[in-house]
Amino acid sequence: DVLMTQSPSSLSASVGDRVTITCRASHNVRNNLNWYQQKPGKAPKLLIHTASSLQSGIPLRFSGSGSGTYFTLTINNLQPEDFATYHCQQSYDSPYTFGQGTRLEIK
Amino acid sequence: QLQLQESGPGLVKPSGTLSLTCTVSGDSISNANYYWGWIRQPPGKRLEWIGSISYTGKTHDNPSLKSRVTLSIDTSKNHFSLKMTSVTAADTAIYFCARREDYGDLDHFDSWGQGTLVTVS
Repeated sequence: DVLMTQSPSSLSASVGDRVTITCRASHNVRNNLNWYQQKPGKAPKLLIHTASSLQSGIPLRFSGSGSGTYFTLTINNLQPEDFATYHCQQSYDSPYTFGQGTRLEIK
Repeated sequence: QLQLQESGPGLVKPSGTLSLTCTVSGDSISNANYYWGWIRQPPGKRLEWIGSISYTGKTHDNPSLKSRVTLSIDTSKNHFSLKMTSVTAADTAIYFCARREDYGDLDHFDSWGQGTLVTVS
């Protein structure tokens, strides 16, 4: 199975900050990498697919990059509603696998 | 607007069978561009993909669960289902159903149900 490792596991930031979350894959997953946002008690919500494509309806302050084994999710100008847990997921190889999540908290 | 809703018992006895259904509204489940899947989230652990099924009944399964999992789909009722046998406490989790867009280079879960907690005890 492809092991997905996110860093950091948690971080604190302030409204207006820019933050970057990284996701590393144990094997090459090309650009088959997706990012989800999950708020407490809610289902994950697709933010970015195929590494860098913004899902419809997602604000432009979210962006993704990377390919192969190294990927990043960047959030510019953090808004109060962005404080949540973020998950990466590879869809290159079965079984599809997720990262352990990165919890973004308000400083 | 697409909506997915999980339903089923919230408590299952050890060695028993977990059965969940996901009812889809706002779109037909018979769309060739999509698979319909299950993902779970044990307490404090990462999300785990269980499997996906197309409207034709073709399945993609997680090998680690394949021997215990059966996916089915009923296009007449616009719903799909999960059965997991021989459950243990390790199967306690929030279970999500989700639509998986699988078209060309696209392969992601673009719409999710709210999730349902299943406790094995």
